[in-house]
Amino acid sequence: DAKTTQPPSMDCAEGRAANLPCNHSTISGNEYVYWYRQIHSQGPQYIIHGLKNNETNEMASLIITEDRKSSTLILPHATLRDTAVYYCIVRVLYNAGNNRKLIWGLGTSLAVNP
Amino acid sequence: NAGVTQTPKFRVLKTGQSMTLLCAQDMNHEYMYWYRQDPGMGLRLIHYSVGEGTTAKGEVPDGYNVSRLKKQNFLLGLESAAPSQTSVYFCASSYSPGQGTDTQYFGPGTRLTVL
Repeated sequence: DAKTTQPPSMDCAEGRAANLPCNHSTISGNEYVYWYRQIHSQGPQYIIHGLKNNETNEMASLIITEDRKSSTLILPHATLRDTAVYYCIVRVLYNAGNNRKLIWGLGTSLAVNP
Repeated sequence: NAGVTQTPKFRVLKTGQSMTLLCAQDMNHEYMYWYRQDPGMGLRLIHYSVGEGTTAKGEVPDGYNVSRLKKQNFLLGLESAAPSQTSVYFCASSYSPGQGTDTQYFGPGTRLTVL
């Protein structure tokens, strides 16, 4: 199974962009990268996902390197409410592609400071 | 549209007691999941279901049973609770359009303590 590596913690000033890196060097060609976040022990919240193209939605942007071995989640204007643990996850297929699961790591604890 | 709800929010059990955690979703999702989250560890999949009447084991299924009698509900049972099952339990659901992407939507969690 593909695994991800993230820094355990990061800081960001309010109003600035937060760039959260993730390494997934063993990712396979058909495995998606997902980002979720978890605010203060609430249920994880979906942010964005991608396969090989860069993606953007109302919450964030996802930049995936051309070799797909790493990605960066960008929160363009971080607010105090963005303080959370951010998980970079690879969705893997198994059972001949009939099933899939998310492989969760420990995430990055992002602190947005005033 | 409530999304994914979990009942109860908190529970304290004594070793050997049994209980059932209820997860309900109103998004007509096919897939449902039960995870546990422990300090210093990522979420670990306990059991999952790909549709009404089906269940399958995840990474850490021992000590748990599940049932999916209705599409909108997914029950997690502990027949004889142990202190090692003290954890926060999250339910999630996803729509599964074939082999495409499937974003999971999570409930608020159930905090279970086994004494």
